[in-house]
This record gives sequence, C-alpha cells and structure tokens, in this order.
Amino acid sequence: AQSVTQLGSHVSVSEGALVLLRCNYSSSVPPYLFWYVQYPNQGLQLLLKYTSAATLVKGINDFEAEFKKSETSFHLTKPSAHMSDAAEYFCAVSARSGGGADGLTFGKGTHLIIQP
Amino acid sequence: DAGVIQSPRHEVTEMGQEVTLRCKPISGHNSLFWYRQTMMRGLELLIYFNNNVPIDDSGMPEDRFSAKMPNASFSTLKIQPSEPRDSAVYFCASSLWESENTEAFFGQGTRLTVV
Repeated sequence: AQSVTQLGSHVSVSEGALVLLRCNYSSSVPPYLFWYVQYPNQGLQLLLKYTSAATLVKGINDFEAEFKKSETSFHLTKPSAHMSDAAEYFCAVSARSGGGADGLTFGKGTHLIIQP
Repeated sequence: DAGVIQSPRHEVTEMGQEVTLRCKPISGHNSLFWYRQTMMRGLELLIYFNNNVPIDDSGMPEDRFSAKMPNASFSTLKIQPSEPRDSAVYFCASSLWESENTEAFFGQGTRLTVV
C-alpha cells in the first residue's frame, strides 16, 4: 500500500522567492514519485518524476525535487517564484506491478499563491 | 498528437439518470486510468486498464459505476443511476508502460453535476 502526505494545503510566497512544497510518502516497495501541476479548469501536467535513477530530479519550468529515502520525502523546489506558478500542485506515488503501469496515489494537493 | 480526449467537458444531469463519460487515450498507449476529483476526497483512482483489460477496480465506489474498454482507442465510465454525490471532475489518463519510462498524460476532465 502507498500513500502521500502533502504538508500545507496552501503555501504563499512572494514573487522571486524560493518555492518549497513538501511531500512525504509511504510505500511498501521502492516507489516511483511524481509531481503534477493543475491550473484552473485544466487537467494535470507532469512537472517531474523519480524512477530510481538520480535522486535529484529536474523538471520543467525550473522545478526540481530531491528523493530522500531516509526521510521518505520528495519535496518540490524552485529557486525563484513567478506569478505564472500560481496553481495546485500534487505529489503522487506509484508502484510498478508485474503486468504494467500502476495507478497513481495522489496527495491532497497544495495550492501555491504568489504574492506580487 | 491531440492528447487524451475526454467528452463531454461538462455534463449536467438529473438524479437517477444514466451518465456516460468517454475517453480516447493517446494512440499507442497501453494503459488507461479513470480518476475522480472532489474537494472532499481529492484525486482518487477509480479503475485502470492495461492492454484493454481491467486490472484494478477497487476504487470504483459502488456498483452504480462501471467502466469498459472495448478497444485500445476508447473507454467509457458509466454511472447508473446517478446521484448528487457523484458530482465531481472525472479525469481519464493514459500511459505507455515501458521499462522505467512511464508518464501518465491526463485529459482535460469532465465536470459532472448531478442535480
């Protein structure tokens, strides 16, 4: 069984400031971890993913995340926030089954607010 | 590619009516997923298919919900009869499972309102 906990349903940062969105996971098998972004009335778009290669993963729009097994964490960061980053962010976990892709288990989401 | 295509984008129906949501996955993808998003429960996996075969439907809330994938390019999620608590955004996603490189691509969603 897998689960994801996102700390903070809302995070507010100033434009240009560091963005840090927290995600902790629980998995009985080595996990695959993902961050998705959702803009209003849109579907989900993949930001980045961890699939057991490098622990520091770089994604689109200067986002990155670091897999820390000892802390069971996969926090998302961006050095400098932009107004266009305002959106809902979801951390997700999956486990590869023998027969193919597995479904994603999502966290509750974090609403990122960018202050001008 | 046009991406995952869902229809309709919006659906308003009366309680007790049958509702059918449709999804066309990305061509060549072999896995398809149905998710439901609500304020209270967030994003939940309802069911997924690999190579058109249902693998796990443990997320389907009740027998009123059913999903089919008659071929690799089409899937439906049906609710019969619908209830107000079924109101949510329903997402379809598809992926190509191959080795370590897997990514689920999401459709725009269908916003269902049951009155």
